[in-house]
Amino acid sequence: AQSVTQLDSHVSVSEGTPVLLRCNYSSSYSPSLFWYVQHPNKGLQLLLKYTSAATLVKGINGFEAEFKKSETSFHLTKPSAHMSDAAEYFCVVSPPTNTGFQKLVFGTGTRLLVSP
Amino acid sequence: DTEVTQTPKHLVMGMTNKKSLKCEQHMGHRAMYWYKQKAKKPPELMFVYSYEKLSINESVPSRFSPECPNSSLLNLHLHALQPEDSALYLCASSQGGLAGTSTDTQYFGPGTRLTVL
Repeated sequence: AQSVTQLDSHVSVSEGTPVLLRCNYSSSYSPSLFWYVQHPNKGLQLLLKYTSAATLVKGINGFEAEFKKSETSFHLTKPSAHMSDAAEYFCVVSPPTNTGFQKLVFGTGTRLLVSP
Repeated sequence: DTEVTQTPKHLVMGMTNKKSLKCEQHMGHRAMYWYKQKAKKPPELMFVYSYEKLSINESVPSRFSPECPNSSLLNLHLHALQPEDSALYLCASSQGGLAGTSTDTQYFGPGTRLTVL
């Protein structure tokens, strides 16, 4: 069975400082991993995804994540936080499928707070 | 264009009302999804349609009735809802079909904020 653990429910940073949002996964197979961001009362927007190509994945808005199989981690980072980064972030696993559709497994979310 | 649209943005309904939520995508995706999201929680999968056929119903109460009239449209019909059904309802789509894999990206709409009085 696939599972995702987001290690922090809240992360607080100051504007201009680095961001680290932690995610560990459990999977019997090589997983596909995603980070989505959700601003208040909005839908989910894809930040980046890992699909067994390069282990360092670059996404939108300066975010990147590194897939570490030995640590079963997929942490999200950004060198310098911006006020607009304040949002809820979800780490997501997509289990292997031959059905043509996905049953995504969501982490519980990390709320990123950015102070001036 | 990677847009999924949802209408209405907000909906307030009484427990005896009948209403519908609508979702539309024009990316040629063959898999479409309904999720329910409560405050401060991740989305919960409700239904999956693949090639316009219902493929997954996650034991959702019958007061929620999905419909996929064609490959671009997805509806969620609501009847006799309870106050605990108040939530953000998200629609999503992915490539799906014979080419669909676990690496597909699900694109989410902005959601409909439902309040049941």
